[in-house]
Amino acid sequence: RKEVEQDPGPFNVPEGATVAFNCTYSNSASQSFFWYRQDCRKEPKLLMSVYSSGNEDGRFTAQLNRASQYISLLIRDSKLSDSATYLCVVNDDYGQNFVFGPGTRLSVLP
Amino acid sequence: EAQVTQNPRYLITVTGKKLTVTCSQNMNHEYMSWYRQDPGLGLRQIYYSMNVEVTDKGDVPEGYKVSRKEKRNFPLILESPSPNQTSLYFCASRTNRGTLSYEQYFGPGTRLTVT
Repeated sequence: RKEVEQDPGPFNVPEGATVAFNCTYSNSASQSFFWYRQDCRKEPKLLMSVYSSGNEDGRFTAQLNRASQYISLLIRDSKLSDSATYLCVVNDDYGQNFVFGPGTRLSVLP
Repeated sequence: EAQVTQNPRYLITVTGKKLTVTCSQNMNHEYMSWYRQDPGLGLRQIYYSMNVEVTDKGDVPEGYKVSRKEKRNFPLILESPSPNQTSLYFCASRTNRGTLSYEQYFGPGTRLTVT
């Protein structure tokens, strides 16, 4: 079983749609959680960290459920510029080893 | 400008010919790491370094070496490259200070092809 799993995608949605990405992780000792965004052939960039209480940044909302070992990312009012691959990232309990999910590709269509 | 640089950006080489991919960061970060990215597998950590002279294996270290003699540099060495090391490689760095929610800064990537 993979340590971090994500929706296989791709997701093709129209502009303005709301889209949700799901991620599960297997290491119950994981401490830190992130969503990264990766544009085609570019380096990943941090989108947002995920906190236990959930957090929101503009149109983006991240949730963490430690009991279910589940992380989510919600994008509201999607824009063409949101088209990218979204990577779920989990950090182990010592803060050293970062484990990336395989990513979910999103295409926002006009 | 705060950044992570990698060189070369593209490299085509032959099996068995030793190569080094350099990585340098100007943010005084303690932690540096190397990843490879392959279709369907996502990014996998090769090696990481918590600070100067401290390195440790990630998930896929076989066939790779690293060194951390200076804080800013973290070269990736392939002593005898093989075709299964054809991949997109990313270097990353972050601080060790503060909370656990550290942001990693990635270099632009090195696309390596081994024939």
